[in-house]
Amino acid sequence: SAVISQKPSRDICQRGTSLTIQCQVDSQVTMMFWYRQQPGQSLTLIATANQGSEATYESGFVIDKFPISRPNLTFSTLTVSNMSPEDSSIYLCSVEGLAADNEQFFGPGTRLTVL
Amino acid sequence: AQSVTQLDSQVPVFEEAPVELRCNYSSSVSVYLFWYVQYPNQGLQLLLKYLSGSTLVKGINGFEAEFNKSQTSFHLRKPSVHISDTAEYFCAVSRRTGGGNKLTFGTGTQLKVEL
Repeated sequence: SAVISQKPSRDICQRGTSLTIQCQVDSQVTMMFWYRQQPGQSLTLIATANQGSEATYESGFVIDKFPISRPNLTFSTLTVSNMSPEDSSIYLCSVEGLAADNEQFFGPGTRLTVL
Repeated sequence: AQSVTQLDSQVPVFEEAPVELRCNYSSSVSVYLFWYVQYPNQGLQLLLKYLSGSTLVKGINGFEAEFNKSQTSFHLRKPSVHISDTAEYFCAVSRRTGGGNKLTFGTGTQLKVEL
């Protein structure tokens, strides 16, 4: 299994500002994923971050709004840019397990409120 | 494309009663199936997964699920629930892509166990 931590755990931000969320894993992983969970809803994949290459974004998500960095095999950041109240969500990162069993491990999430 | 349907948004049940949370999926290719649990203010934890082999899968905390290919279902069951099982349950499917295993989640079922 993988142990994942996220910082910050929660934040309250003003409209128009940006927030960078950090995701740290206790082991080296190839793929890291960023999800958004809007209030009362399910998880939606934002992008896949592979170390050494540009992140791959899902339909409806763009790099200008959600820039992602993946500087090494244990760390990634997601920035929520020019925030609006509609960005209020829980943001979760996940990683694939080391075994070839397709399991993903999730971080505890970052609860973002935009005023 | 793949999708997941969780028909029940909320399931109330008394403690020690059995419960079934329903999940149906659609996909044009073979998929892997998962159930995740999210306790209040926490990240997601894997309950169980179906990759191949036996269609009856046993997971943690006494949960089990049965993969039914003909009905494209993967319902989650527990013969006797406990108050501590109160949580949000997500069914998910994944498919292998060049960008890793991408998970598609259902909308979730809130299980509320009452005394």
